[in-house]
Amino acid sequence: GNSVTQMEGPVTLSEEAFLTINCTYTATGYPSLFWYVQYPGEGLQLLLKATKADDKGSNKGFEATYRKETTSFHLEKGSVQVSDSAVYFCALSGGLYAGGTSYGKLTFGQGTILTVHP
Amino acid sequence: EAGVAQSPRYKIIEKRQSVAFWCNPISGHATLYWYQQILGQGPKLLIQFQNNGVVDDSQLPKDRFSAERLKGVDSTLKIQPAKLEDSAVYLCASSLVGEQFFGPGTRLTVL
Repeated sequence: GNSVTQMEGPVTLSEEAFLTINCTYTATGYPSLFWYVQYPGEGLQLLLKATKADDKGSNKGFEATYRKETTSFHLEKGSVQVSDSAVYFCALSGGLYAGGTSYGKLTFGQGTILTVHP
Repeated sequence: EAGVAQSPRYKIIEKRQSVAFWCNPISGHATLYWYQQILGQGPKLLIQFQNNGVVDDSQLPKDRFSAERLKGVDSTLKIQPAKLEDSAVYLCASSLVGEQFFGPGTRLTVL
């Protein structure tokens, strides 16, 4: 079945540092890939997504590229801010042509806690 | 546009008691999901509805968990009887096509 593995956390960085959170996946077919963010006290929000190989999703300075050859979707940001402190989840869902009941169902990684200090 | 609404936000019960959670999805969203998020883990899908029909409930512990979606709009998730390991945040999400929108969740503590 589908699975997502994220790098072990938590991650602690100083403001303006470079961020990478690794994510690899196992899936059949052509899944879509997502990064969700959960700020303290808030619900899950979609940060960015990519629906096919070599697509790059980007939002709020964050980027991730769908690498089918390495089954990866690593999250990066060039200069983090204190306000980026949150829990980040990598997730996948069955693609449009995956068929069955997998379409739409999200499979999440375990989450990575990011803390950014001034 | 109003988001996904959930209530209550917090609930504390003792083991073997019953509890129910309510979700009101974004208007017009045909698909509704319930996820369980245990502390330190990612959300896990419990059940997926398409309108008022169940699409996927393969990971729902059916001996104690039940869910329904009335008239294809609101949904309730019930646990009866609760166990200690049911302590978690229960998330509701809805979608029209593609992106899922999540509610704030209900944090359940079972003592």
